[in-house]
Amino acid sequence: SQKIEQNSEALNIQEGKTATLTCNYTNYSPAYLQWYRQDPGRGPVFLLLIRENEKEKRKERLKVTFDTTLKQSLFHITASQPADSATYLCALDYTGGFKTIFGAGTRLFVKA
Amino acid sequence: DTAVSQTPKYLVTQMGNDKSIKCEQNLGHDTMYWYKQDSKKFLKIMFSYNNKELIINETVPNRFSPKSPDKAHLNLHINSLELGDSAVYFCASSQGSGASYNSPLHFGNGTRLTVT
Repeated sequence: SQKIEQNSEALNIQEGKTATLTCNYTNYSPAYLQWYRQDPGRGPVFLLLIRENEKEKRKERLKVTFDTTLKQSLFHITASQPADSATYLCALDYTGGFKTIFGAGTRLFVKA
Repeated sequence: DTAVSQTPKYLVTQMGNDKSIKCEQNLGHDTMYWYKQDSKKFLKIMFSYNNKELIINETVPNRFSPKSPDKAHLNLHINSLELGDSAVYFCASSQGSGASYNSPLHFGNGTRLTVT
């Protein structure tokens, strides 16, 4: 079955630095990959989607890369701020649709 | 004008009871989902509905019975609650199958269910 792995350990970085989060997947060849943000007590919020034929996608301070050979996506937050502290979830869609599966998420702490 | 709203936000009940969680979306989406997030924060799909029809049932015990009276609503009824049912349940919606480029998931803020 499809499996998504994210670094389960929390990531602590200093304000202003670039945070890099990793998502690896196995047993799957997704057409695209998504990243979500989840704050405590809230539902996940969609951030970015990248297709298999796109190497990189940017949105403001966010950048996502997608390497289908390595079966890996990297999620970068540049010039990080304390407000970026949250859990970030990687997600893939099942081929037949109607089922998005999520990684366990990586908790990011940005210190002022 | 909340896009996906769930009620109640908190639900505390005893083992063996039956409870329901309601979900409504005002985004005009045709697909709705229920996800369960356990204590380890792992988000796992339970059901997906498209145009009121059940599409995905991810081997969920039949004590869980979703009902979709129309495209904007997907309710979750749980019979004979067990301790292991304690979790946060999230409703979500999308347009289309969720496998299309412009169709990410929109989540509600969850219902925290505690079974004692």
